[in-house]
Amino acid sequence: DGGITQSPKYLFRKEGQNVTLSCEQNLNHDAMYWYRQDPGQGLRLIYYSQIVNDFQKGDIAEGYSVSREKKESFPLTVTSAQKNPTAFYLCASKQGSGTEAFFGQGTRLTVV
Amino acid sequence: GNSVTQMEGPVTLSEEAFLTINCTYTATGYPSLFWYVQYPGEGLQLLLKATKADDKGSNKGFEATYRKETTSFHLEKGSVQVSDSAVYFCALSPTGTGGGNKLTFGTGTQLKVEL
Repeated sequence: DGGITQSPKYLFRKEGQNVTLSCEQNLNHDAMYWYRQDPGQGLRLIYYSQIVNDFQKGDIAEGYSVSREKKESFPLTVTSAQKNPTAFYLCASKQGSGTEAFFGQGTRLTVV
Repeated sequence: GNSVTQMEGPVTLSEEAFLTINCTYTATGYPSLFWYVQYPGEGLQLLLKATKADDKGSNKGFEATYRKETTSFHLEKGSVQVSDSAVYFCALSPTGTGGGNKLTFGTGTQLKVEL
């Protein structure tokens, strides 16, 4: 079945450590996105990529980095520079304008 | 820029009550409009969509009509169930090449349905 897979579902890290969240899609979509969601809040765009080897900052990119070396994969690294990294992270993909996005199941990151 | 405004929650209803969650948007051109649903601890799932004016999207008893004259896309269901308890997001996706291929989301509305 086609879809988006995020792993792991839960992730715990110590403060000061970098951590990478995985996002893989087999929908053959060109565009991929990372969102952050805090409790009771909406979605905030971190980074997005419209094509392989290209990506743009979203609204809250500070403290995060991404790469897009393959069409299927868009990993997100939460660096030690991110002041408040504990959150629920959602990856999505879409193809073309005016279309819906497909979401993964999310990764809950807890930094202690 | 594009924006989506939806009613604040939480919305608390009794089972079998009528549901309306208001959504209005601001966008250039003719965007596509969506409703997503998020259950606790999960990602967003597409609930329904409409791609042009006067289109009605429907799924699982939920409906929404694309009203260009009022720039609205209100979500309705005639009889809610406890299992409908979730957070609902209204979103738009620009058409054409000027939209940057990004979705714009509302802040979400939490629905609680009680017995």
